[in-house]
Amino acid sequence: DIQMTQSPASLSASLGETVSIECLASEDIYNNLAWYQQKPGKSPQLLIYYASSLQDGVPSRFSGSGSGTQYSLKINSLESEDAATYFCLQDSEYPWTFGGGTKLELK
Amino acid sequence: EVQLVESGGGLVQPGRSLKLSCLASGFTFSNYGMNWIRQAPGKGLEWVASISSSSSYIYYADTVKGRFTISRDNAKNTLYLQMTSLRSEDTALYYCARDGGYPDYWGQGVMVTVSS
Repeated sequence: DIQMTQSPASLSASLGETVSIECLASEDIYNNLAWYQQKPGKSPQLLIYYASSLQDGVPSRFSGSGSGTQYSLKINSLESEDAATYFCLQDSEYPWTFGGGTKLELK
Repeated sequence: EVQLVESGGGLVQPGRSLKLSCLASGFTFSNYGMNWIRQAPGKGLEWVASISSSSSYIYYADTVKGRFTISRDNAKNTLYLQMTSLRSEDTALYYCARDGGYPDYWGQGVMVTVSS
């Protein structure tokens, strides 16, 4: 199974700052990586697919990059609504596996 | 608007069975693969099972293989998850999610609690 190591587990940042979240796959996942945002009591919302494609309706301050085994989600100019937990998902091969999540807190 | 509405959850004793349903609307259900993904209380996400649009391909996580069965009825726009031999570690919020090459739309989830 492909292991997804996500870091950091938690993050505190100020409004207007830029943050990055990383996911490291245990083997090449060929850009088959998605990023999700989940707010308390809500279902996950897709932000990025195929490592760097922005889902319709998602603000352009979210961006994804990476290749091979290393991927990242970048959030520019943090807004209060960005406080949430973020997960990566590899769907390169079954079993699909998620990163452990990053809880983003706004100062 | 894509909508996925799960139902069928509840409190069940260990070893018993439960069947979840997910009613889809707002898209052509028969054109999409579907998934079940779960989240234990306060924990991360775990993929459970996937089924292709015509049910030709089905995949399960090792943790549920042999106990859970994913199925679909395209005429009823409904996805199912039959869960048997339930264990306490199956306690979770179960989401159905459309497969647009990746899980793109998720339902609101249905809670399954396995406890005596």
